[in-house]
Amino acid sequence: ETGVTQSPTHLIKTRGQQVTLRCSSQSGHNTVSWYQQALGQGPQFIFQYYREEENGRGNFPPRFSGLQFPNYSSELNVNALELDDSALYLCASSLTGVETQYFGPGTRLLVL
Amino acid sequence: QKEVEQDPGPLSVPEGAIVSLNCTYSNSAFQYFMWYRQYSRKGPELLMYTYSSGNKEDGRFTAQVDKSSKYISLFIRDSQPSDSATYLCAMTADDKIIFGKGTRLHILP
Repeated sequence: ETGVTQSPTHLIKTRGQQVTLRCSSQSGHNTVSWYQQALGQGPQFIFQYYREEENGRGNFPPRFSGLQFPNYSSELNVNALELDDSALYLCASSLTGVETQYFGPGTRLLVL
Repeated sequence: QKEVEQDPGPLSVPEGAIVSLNCTYSNSAFQYFMWYRQYSRKGPELLMYTYSSGNKEDGRFTAQVDKSSKYISLFIRDSQPSDSATYLCAMTADDKIIFGKGTRLHILP
């Protein structure tokens, strides 16, 4: 059984650009959640996908969008990057509920 | 008032000591209470989750929830240098999950 994987591990972008981050769920998990973790802070919930439908969203603007595919892998897209978007982006997958979700290693995004 | 409050530390304790990590919360609708461990430059790792008030034990870890006081704790017995990490509390209500800022823990050999 493979765990949650994310790609790329690191990314550097400039302000105004667009970025796509990818996540492969743990085998059999049909729910994926995305989080933003700024330095020294706890993760902040961006949104969740369940069986390819958005199933909840945190306090993030529409330029943060996502997709979940039939194999339950997922993408996070961020348009019009801002300096404050620099953070560790985490995805987590679960089968029964967020209380038992498993996190990937994260993608570290730096916006210059 | 923030929904979840957690002292960021750092907390330094000698090897073998009992560690106590705590969070307070304001939203009485929170149902599940989780503790995660996060090593530097890694994703959080789920340690334990609890639903009701009381204690739950797993090896050297004990999670405690007091819903009447809106207070949760994680105890680590026989602490090891490998326990040095950031510990995050998290809580859920209606699939909304809120994390604390995390407490940085250093176990001194």
